[in-house]
Amino acid sequence: DVKVTQSSRYLVKRTGEKVFLECVQDMDHENMFWYRQDPGLGLRLIYFSYDVKMKEKGDIPEGYSVSREKKERFSLILESASTNQTSMYLCATEVDGYEQYFGPGTRLTVT
Amino acid sequence: QKEVEQNSGPLSVPEGAIASLNCTYSDRGSQSFFWYRQYSGKSPELIMSIYSNGDKEDGRFTAQLNKASQYVSLLIRDSQPSDSATYLCAAGRGHTGTASKLTFGTGTRLQVTL
Repeated sequence: DVKVTQSSRYLVKRTGEKVFLECVQDMDHENMFWYRQDPGLGLRLIYFSYDVKMKEKGDIPEGYSVSREKKERFSLILESASTNQTSMYLCATEVDGYEQYFGPGTRLTVT
Repeated sequence: QKEVEQNSGPLSVPEGAIASLNCTYSDRGSQSFFWYRQYSGKSPELIMSIYSNGDKEDGRFTAQLNKASQYVSLLIRDSQPSDSATYLCAAGRGHTGTASKLTFGTGTRLQVTL
């Protein structure tokens, strides 16, 4: 079974704080993804990584950065959290070149 | 702008009936298609993938793909109350360089009534 874990299920942060969301997979997969999910907007890709230290912007990278120092770990960083970044954040890993499997998600609230 | 369109629902079906969920996509270059089930407050769970025209069956689920019409569907036979969830359709081009990026629809909410 594919196992993807995320550091927190729920997180509350203040405006302007630097926020780290962490994702870990245990299957040695190369490709990992960060999405956010908002009602009516669906899942939107923020960033993805195709190897250690390699990353590409997704559809909505503004206000975010990522880090991948080890293959199993992919971090999403909100440099200065804002209220419009309140959302459900989902990490996924890619299996066999096509299928993506999601972690449990982090519901982030920025006040 | 690549789009995946789904009727938001809710689609209401009685227990034991067949639920039919539909999805259209705009990118003719799409090669891989996926159905995810998402319970309220939970993350999406992959239930079906399909890559070729025709039908693919897995238990009570059947995915159907028609690339000429740019249409994907999911049939759920013998619907159960536990099938009540939001179903997300996703399409991808396969690997174009670095990874297989998926475009997701906004989902169809299915309600299975007793």
